[in-house]
Amino acid sequence: AAGVIQSPRHLIKEKRETATLKCYPIPRHDTVYWYQQGPGQDPQFLISFYEKMQSDKGSIPDRFSAQQFSDYHSELNMSSLELGDSALYFCASSLEGVTEAFFGQGTRLTVV
Amino acid sequence: AQSVAQPEDQVNVAEGNPLTVKCTYSVSGNPYLFWYVQYPNRGLQFLLKYITGDNLVKGSYGFEAEFNKSQTSFHLKKPSALVSDSALYFCAVRDLSSNDYKLSFGAGTTVTVRA
Repeated sequence: AAGVIQSPRHLIKEKRETATLKCYPIPRHDTVYWYQQGPGQDPQFLISFYEKMQSDKGSIPDRFSAQQFSDYHSELNMSSLELGDSALYFCASSLEGVTEAFFGQGTRLTVV
Repeated sequence: AQSVAQPEDQVNVAEGNPLTVKCTYSVSGNPYLFWYVQYPNRGLQFLLKYITGDNLVKGSYGFEAEFNKSQTSFHLKKPSALVSDSALYFCAVRDLSSNDYKLSFGAGTTVTVRA
């Protein structure tokens, strides 16, 4: 069965650079969530989209932005990267927020 | 507001023994509860969920969880643990009465099953 696809799997950036993370949800899923998981931490909710509209916002820095496109894939844009942004970034998708969320493998971002 | 507490950072059991991972939750309305498992450098894998109905929910890999409304708990259980069950387990909750869909996760419990 198709799963949530995230790219890239690994990303190394320098401080103050920008990064774009991509997420392709499970086909027919219309809700996408982004989570950030720091080392030894639980996943922290960043932002979610339902039918291409932002549905909820969590602890997402102003330096980050995200959107969901017409094909339902989503991109998380991160600017002015800081060392503290180094983390595992997960995307998850669900159907109308009703079914359980299925997570991608994550993108490991390292800021040096 | 919604939150989850996993009181144990670590749980250690011998293979073949019962495994229990504890979780308590707090929501304003009715809870939608989940258990996820995470292996090193991997994504979160869905194990099971509770939304309504029978308080005992059966999930993947022989895991089950019992919803207890009076104790606001949703403990994960497995009658006979395997070494391959060693992983990080997260309990999560969503408030069904809210309009947002985000999950709130507990801090996670590291399960180690020794041979």
